[in-house]
Amino acid sequence: GAVVSQHPSRVICKSGTSVKIECRSLDFQATTMFWYRQFPKQSLMLMATSNEGSKATYEQGVEKDKFLINHASLTLSTLTVTSAHPEDSSFYICSARSRGAALTGELFFGEGSRLTVL
Amino acid sequence: DAKTTQPNSMESNEEEPVHLPCNHSTISGTDYIHWYRQLPSQGPEYVIHGLTSNVNNRMASLAIAEDRKSSTLILHRATLRDAAVYYCILRDRWQNFVFGPGTRLSVLP
Repeated sequence: GAVVSQHPSRVICKSGTSVKIECRSLDFQATTMFWYRQFPKQSLMLMATSNEGSKATYEQGVEKDKFLINHASLTLSTLTVTSAHPEDSSFYICSARSRGAALTGELFFGEGSRLTVL
Repeated sequence: DAKTTQPNSMESNEEEPVHLPCNHSTISGTDYIHWYRQLPSQGPEYVIHGLTSNVNNRMASLAIAEDRKSSTLILHRATLRDAAVYYCILRDRWQNFVFGPGTRLSVLP
């Protein structure tokens, strides 16, 4: 199946710093990418949806100025957690959907990035 | 938006079949039923999806009720590597995937 790669897989940062997480579709063009957050023992919560070349659409309660999403190309989306605080520590997961699978097809997920803010 | 209901947890013995149920009584005619699973500290992995007819692939089978208000994911022979959280998801009208709590499957040796 299609491959989605996230980097870094783990990151530890100090409170107040910004962290960038990359999500790449390795063998297909991803017209839409999704960013999820998952706290321990909880399910995935959708944070935002991004379409290539346009602004991301954020879910209710997600601060767009804090979680900056850029989807500049058909194979790369980035999530930047600005001025991170300990409560932002979580498992961040991206997923991507190809142009051809827009109506019926599956999503492909990255391996996830575990952020720990000290 | 359509939602799904799954048991919180299930157990199975290794090498035996597992039937994971999912109820989606408010499903609309255009909603596809998707199943994903998530191993610890990993992103979700696609398992199978379908619309009306039963589906089979190398990982599992998906049995969809005639009224589409429920479905069952079937693992024909559970292995220890199948221990994971299994999510039954309906793609909503905005084409987003909304995850519920899922079913935590334990496989006993």
